[in-house]
Amino acid sequence: EIVLTQSPTTMAASPGEKVTLTCRASSSVSYMHWYQQKSGASPKLWIYDTSNRASGVPNRFSGSGSGTSYSLTISSMETEDAATYYCQQWSSNPWTFGGGTKLELK
Amino acid sequence: EVKLLESGGGLVQPGGSMRLSCAASGFTFTDFYMNWIRQPAGKAPEWLGFIRNKANGYTTEYNPSVKGRFTISRDNTQNMLYLQMNTLRAEDTATYYCARRSFSRHYFDYWGQGVMVTVSS
Repeated sequence: EIVLTQSPTTMAASPGEKVTLTCRASSSVSYMHWYQQKSGASPKLWIYDTSNRASGVPNRFSGSGSGTSYSLTISSMETEDAATYYCQQWSSNPWTFGGGTKLELK
Repeated sequence: EVKLLESGGGLVQPGGSMRLSCAASGFTFTDFYMNWIRQPAGKAPEWLGFIRNKANGYTTEYNPSVKGRFTISRDNTQNMLYLQMNTLRAEDTATYYCARRSFSRHYFDYWGQGVMVTVSS
């Protein structure tokens, strides 16, 4: 099983601040996907195939990475971006998620 | 508009069984792999398994953590997805989601609102 480790576990950012969330895989994966989840809601696809924004995702969000290291970046934090973000991979059974990064507004 | 609506959750005793349902609409159901994913309160999601699409013979794959206890099935005439859960344990307590896999890639592009399952005596 490929284990995904996200860091930091929790962080707070001020409006306008640049934010980078990291996801590290225990073995190399071809792509990474990211989901945003707000309290009481279902996860939403946010970034797919490492660097593609899902429909409706603001262009201040970007994804990058390869191999065992991936990241999600917010160029300028906004109030609505406060949420938990999960990375997810499929390399072999089972599909796995990272433990999540909770992003709070400072 | 794609919609996924789970039902069937609730309280069940340890060792008991429960069947969850997911009603799908807004897309050609038979074209897509369908998944079950669960999420304990305050924790990360865990993929449980999927059932493939028509082109791939509706076969199933499971997370080893639930293989042998959980069974995924689908009724393509009713656009319904099911999760049969047997020999339930306290650690199966979670919100259960059905989710659609994207047409050709391994990510989940639509999720239901989730249904809560509590395993407790």
